[in-house]
Amino acid sequence: DAKTTQPPSMDCAEGRAANLPCNHSTISGNEYVYWYRQIHSQGPQYIIHGLKNNETNEMASLIITEDRKSSTLILPHATLRDTAVYYCIAATGTASKLTFGTGTRLQVTL
Amino acid sequence: GAVVSQHPSRVICKSGTSVKIECRSLDFQATTMFWYRQFPKKSLMLMATSNEGSKATYEQGVEKDKFLINHASLTLSTLTVTSAHPEDSSFYICSAGTSGGAVGTQYFGPGTRLLVL
Repeated sequence: DAKTTQPPSMDCAEGRAANLPCNHSTISGNEYVYWYRQIHSQGPQYIIHGLKNNETNEMASLIITEDRKSSTLILPHATLRDTAVYYCIAATGTASKLTFGTGTRLQVTL
Repeated sequence: GAVVSQHPSRVICKSGTSVKIECRSLDFQATTMFWYRQFPKKSLMLMATSNEGSKATYEQGVEKDKFLINHASLTLSTLTVTSAHPEDSSFYICSAGTSGGAVGTQYFGPGTRLLVL
């Protein structure tokens, strides 16, 4: 699996958009970009994934650059409950193991 | 989204005893399940990949005789920590994929916190 790089921490004001970047410059053509988050003392929660097109669901939007070397997860209106560690992972699919890096600790504040 | 459960959520045991943790996919069938371990303030580390009807594949450095994995059905995988010691105290998390081999998502259980005294 390609290595991903994320900033260790970010702050965001409640109600504002949270933009979490991820670099995956060595991603291969068959690897998807997955985003998960882990709220303290809970199991990781799936957020979104994509291959090369931008994706949006009820939780977030995923913007992938044209060269696929980086991506941004967007939480359009962050709330205090979005405070968590966010993991960006490159993987080939459901049956492939996920390699968790250190992630980005997002702190949403009032 | 799909739901994965784990039981128990929390367990305290004496050193030398064995502990079994169950992971169930409640509303889907999972050909492959994964077991992770997480120490405080650290990221998740994959321990093993569990395939229904076959032997688990362990990551390097994980003792297969200490961490017994059984994937008895498409909805149940178990992890048994044998002869547990205090250093085995950790947060154990399982995940299950929604479709074998195809692109999809892995869903995680809520985790089991093990404390060995």
